[in-house]
Order: sequence, then structure tokens, then C-alpha cells
Amino acid sequence: QSVLTQPPSVSGAPGQRVTISCTGSISNIGAAYDVHWYQQLPGTAPKLLVDGTSNRPSGVPDRFSGSKSGTSASLAITGLQAEDEADYYCQSFDSSLTTWVFGGGTKLTVL
Amino acid sequence: EVQLVESGGGLVQPGGSLRLSCAASGFTFSRYWMHWVRQAPGKGLVWVSHINNDGSTTNYADSVKGRFTISRDNAKNTLFLQMNSLRAEDTAVYYCARSSSGYHFPFDYWGQGALVTVSS
Repeated sequence: QSVLTQPPSVSGAPGQRVTISCTGSISNIGAAYDVHWYQQLPGTAPKLLVDGTSNRPSGVPDRFSGSKSGTSASLAITGLQAEDEADYYCQSFDSSLTTWVFGGGTKLTVL
Repeated sequence: EVQLVESGGGLVQPGGSLRLSCAASGFTFSRYWMHWVRQAPGKGLVWVSHINNDGSTTNYADSVKGRFTISRDNAKNTLFLQMNSLRAEDTAVYYCARSSSGYHFPFDYWGQGALVTVSS
């Protein structure tokens, strides 16, 4: 059971917009700790996709964006492409546990 | 170019020990916090341990507390994870990752991972 809750899977057709939710609590997202998003392509290491200030590392297209409200956060992907098919994870810090925490991951399927 | 390269993974029997290393290059290693994150086969990412810039502060997930020890050698730009009393449930790919100093910052660079298999 992950501290941050994500849907196990989402899907969309090429060109569509999809969102992935990440639900936390008052001790992590609700405590104003930033939420970061990672993409993990099959068989590879995770890579930072969008950080908590909505910055994207060099090379990440602006089709990816993050947002946060209350105890939840979301990753939006617009103009879905086949190469976006991957696992996506949200991550934050939890002040009660005093540990970094990840969501359980969401598998994105491009139809 | 920032690079993190893990080594030391392998097959170990339950109750055994293993030491992972993470060689860092392309940045000033001593200025960054470092972490270990693991991923069991077919499962999600789980944070394991953290160490601050100079090694004076460490944190562990409850599942490894008392069994794993994180350390660093800033002179050799290397991060370590000493894993003792290994259990089958410790089987995973172990990634080292970098973050700036502070709880808000993301893990901006990751290594390629080292596979640890605990089995008899």
C-alpha cells in the first residue's frame, strides 16, 4: 500500500489528452511538499519528467505538465504519442514518516 | 555529463550480505544529497535510504532499518549501501539517485540500477 495513491492504469488514443492523479494527505502533498513526476520506459531506469515547480528537464516536451491542489496532484499529457507508453510515478516527502514517498505507479497505454 | 553507475549486485542467500556502490561523475558530488530507491520485479518504486552532503545525517525506510547502512566517500565520489540480513523480499533492482539539499527537491538523476536477488 503506497502512501501516495495513483490509478493503476490509464489509456488514450494518439493525439488525446490524459491525466494521472496522485492523492496524498496532510502530511505530504497537503503539507506543501512539492510533487514530482517520473517516467519509466520499459526496461529502463526512471527519469525525472516534471518537478514540483512545473519545470521540465531539458529534452522533456511541454506536452507534459504538473499541477497540485490541496492533498492531490496531477500529471497531464497532451497530444498523446506512442512513445509516451510507460509507467509514471509521483513522489513527495512525508513529514510524519520523515521519508520520501512514491505513488504506486500508473501504466499509460496508447491505444 | 552527470553519471551515476551502480555496481555490486548479484545473487545472495537469505541472511547474507551485499554491498552496493554508486560511482558519481560529472558534478560536485559533495554538494548533493543521495538516495537509494528499489524496485521489486514487476512492482513500483520504493524509497530505501538517504544521506546528506557530508554523511552526518541518514534516513531509512522501516523495512530496512537496522539491516541496511548508507554511507558515502566524498573524496572518491562514491555512494554505498551495505545490506545485511538479507531477505527474499529485498530482491529488487536498486537505483542510486541524486537530489539537491532539501526535502522539496526531486531525484533529478538516476543510475541504471543494480539487481539484487536473495534466494537459496
